[in-house]
Amino acid sequence: DFVLVQSPDSLAVSLGERVTINCKSSQTIFNGGDNKSYLAWYQQKPGQPPQLLMYWASTRESGVPDRFSGSGSGTDFTLTISTLQAEDVAVYFCQQHFSTPYTFGQGTKLEIK
Amino acid sequence: QVTLQESGPALVKPTQTLTLTCTLSGLSPDVNEWRVSWLRQTPGKALEWLGRIDWDDDKFYSPSLKTRLTISKGTSKKQVVLTLTNMDPVDTATYFCVRHGVAGPIRGNWFAPWGQGILVTVSS
Repeated sequence: DFVLVQSPDSLAVSLGERVTINCKSSQTIFNGGDNKSYLAWYQQKPGQPPQLLMYWASTRESGVPDRFSGSGSGTDFTLTISTLQAEDVAVYFCQQHFSTPYTFGQGTKLEIK
Repeated sequence: QVTLQESGPALVKPTQTLTLTCTLSGLSPDVNEWRVSWLRQTPGKALEWLGRIDWDDDKFYSPSLKTRLTISKGTSKKQVVLTLTNMDPVDTATYFCVRHGVAGPIRGNWFAPWGQGILVTVSS
């Protein structure tokens, strides 16, 4: 199985500041056939199901604000929020969609400082 | 806009079988190809993929649950059913059904949208 480890487990950032969340896979999730890395990011707010932010590591889902961006390739990935807004308080998960069983990181809890 | 809704019991006893139904709404009539997965989230918030069923009845299961889990289409074309046997308190979780995302003609294995989820507690 592909093990995904996120860092940090939690962080507190001031409004308007930049946020960086990392996700590391135990094996490469890069597909040389289409030059894509098969990683997704989700945001989960309290009492709600997770909501897709990004897939193929850096493709933003329709409707997701452009302050959210994804980067990385192979085994190391980053979700960046360029300017933190109050509504971004949530838990963020990464997920590999390269092969079954699809697996998730343990989550990163983002709070306002 | 596609929506998914889980239904089933909120409480099951140890050793019993859990049956959950996922009902899809808003599917375009010309959409014949789809993939649906079941996932669960423990009280500690860890997310676990359980299994997947495709429109052509192809099925994929998590190795850790393969002997206990069955995913099938319901009596309606727009329903997917999860059956999990021999329930244990460690199976206590919120269960989600999700549709796999699409990007143009490509059917992906990321998850959007998600149902609201159903909390299932296993307790005697």
